[in-house]
Amino acid sequence: EIVLTQSPATLSLSPGERATLSCRASQGHSSYLAWYQQKPGQAPRLLIYDASNRATGIPARFSGSGSGTDFTLTISSLEPEDFAVYYCRQGLTFGGGTTVEIK
Amino acid sequence: QITLKESGPTLVKPTQTLTLTCAFSGFSLSTSGVNVGWIRQPPGKVLEWLALINWNDDKRYSPSLKNRLSITKDTSKNQVVLTMTNMDPADTAKYFCAHGWYFENWGQGTLVTVSS
Repeated sequence: EIVLTQSPATLSLSPGERATLSCRASQGHSSYLAWYQQKPGQAPRLLIYDASNRATGIPARFSGSGSGTDFTLTISSLEPEDFAVYYCRQGLTFGGGTTVEIK
Repeated sequence: QITLKESGPTLVKPTQTLTLTCAFSGFSLSTSGVNVGWIRQPPGKVLEWLALINWNDDKRYSPSLKNRLSITKDTSKNQVVLTMTNMDPADTAKYFCAHGWYFENWGQGTLVTVSS
């Protein structure tokens, strides 16, 4: 069973800064990696699928990269609405999440 | 427009069986390539995938919970049903259903509390 490790656990940044989130898989079989954003009290929202493809309606400031075991979600310039928890997922396994909080 | 909505009891007792229904619209589970899954999230904790069913009635379960889970579909009613046996307080969580292999669309979730 794949284990996904997200780092850092918490990222403290200011609006306008760049956010770089990491997701490392214990096995490198697939590029079927997805990223989700979740705000308090809401369901998760799909941001990125197949490691680098933005889902419908997702702003261009969100980008995904990586392959094998190492994947990255980048938010080029944080907007106030981007402060949330981000999860990666591969197959049917979710990572432990990264909280992006306002510094 | 795709929508999903979860329904079921908000409170169950330990050892009871939980039955949750996901009612959806905007797609058909008889269409090739379509999937519906269940995911849960204990309060303040992370997401955990539970089960998945596809258009071909193929089913997949979380390895750690597979002995307690069952997922079925009713294509005519546009519903997917999840049952979980032998509920425990550790199963207290918000339960979501979602559409698509990448879970492109989610329901709002339903909070289930397990307590005597």
